[in-house]
This record gives sequence, C-alpha cells and structure tokens, in this order.
Amino acid sequence: AQKITQTQPGMFVQEKEAVTLDCTYDTSDQSYGLFWYKQPSSGEMIFLIYQGSYDEQNATEGRYSLNFQKARKSANLVISASQLGDSAMYFCAMGPETSGSRLTFGEGTQLTVNP
Amino acid sequence: GAVVSQHPSRVICKSGTSVKIECRSLDFQATTMFWYRQFPKQSLMLMATSNEGSKATYEQGVEKDKFLINHASLTLSTLTVTSAHPEDSSFYICSARRAGLSGNTIYFGEGSWLTVV
Repeated sequence: AQKITQTQPGMFVQEKEAVTLDCTYDTSDQSYGLFWYKQPSSGEMIFLIYQGSYDEQNATEGRYSLNFQKARKSANLVISASQLGDSAMYFCAMGPETSGSRLTFGEGTQLTVNP
Repeated sequence: GAVVSQHPSRVICKSGTSVKIECRSLDFQATTMFWYRQFPKQSLMLMATSNEGSKATYEQGVEKDKFLINHASLTLSTLTVTSAHPEDSSFYICSARRAGLSGNTIYFGEGSWLTVV
C-alpha cells in the first residue's frame, strides 16, 4: 500500500518569496513516481511536476522544483518567486512509475499568497 | 490547452435518476483512465480504473452497480451514476496517462460537479 502525508493544511507566503510545501510518502515499491498538482477553486487539477524514484536529479519546471530525498522518503515542492495566482490547494501524489498510473493523493495544502 | 476533457462540468439531477459523465483524451489514446471522487475540502479518492474493451476495476467500497463505467473507445470513458442520491453529490474527476519524452505525465479532466437534489 502507498501512503502520502502532507502535514501542512495551510501555508501563507508573501508575494515574490519562495515557499516549500512538505510531502512524505511510504511505499514498499522499488519503482514509483511522485507528482504535484495544483487545484484552484474551479476544481481542475493542474499538473506541476513529476519525479521518478530512480531519477538522480531533482525535477524542475519553471518556478517549481521538487526536493527529492529518497532516503527520507520526502518529495517537497518548492515554489520560487510566489505569485498571487499561486494561491490554491496543492496535492502531492504517488503512483507506479510504469504503466498503470493509479495515484494516491495526500490531504493537500492550501497555499495563500499575500500581496 | 486541455489534453483531457470532461463533460458536463456541472450537473444537477433529481434523486433517483441517473447521470452520465464523459471523459475524453484529446489527441492521444488512453487505454486506461481513472475516475476519482472528491468531497469538499477533502483529497481525491480513486474510485475505479477504466480499461478500454474490458470491465472496469473498482476500488474497495465502491459499488460497481451504482457507478457504471464504460470505456468503449481509446479516447472515451464514461461514468454513470445510477439511482443518484444526495450523498452522491461530489466532484468527479477523471485522469489519463500520456507517455512522453519527459516521462510519465498524468493529466486530469476539468472535473464534474454533481449535485443531487
């Protein structure tokens, strides 16, 4: 079984500052993928970034980077230069790295960017 | 633009009726799609895996006779909530995996808000 834990129900950050959203996971699988999604109030799930368990380098996508520490089983999302439009719910998820793609989600973190 | 499209985005139905939600992959084929349900202020919970040309695989606790899933083509999966009750009111969202050069990318539809009155 896979489990994702996001311990921060809510986070606040000032505009233009960086913020880290925590995510830890538990799995007995040797190969897996870690995902971060953004969900604004409209409900859509916006894919942000992906990290494979065997990827040696931390994934980066624009202002998003994933701080992957495999030994600690953590996959924190770092958002640099926060923007007001970043205010949303953020979900960490994991699934098989190969085909299948059943995702297990964490409880989410509500991020609020203050002007 | 969206690579997975879901319709309708919002639907209100009367208790006891059935409602169908469509999930389409745009410009790619998806032999497998996934249906999730999300209650307000909660996380997404996987309901079932939709397999093209075969029966769906349901998660424990999900009634297969209530939530009918049909994956008739490589780009379309449908979820039908039968004999809907107010407690079925929720946000339903589908996903599909698109293989690419950068690895796995799982895209979600826009989601469907179901209200049963």
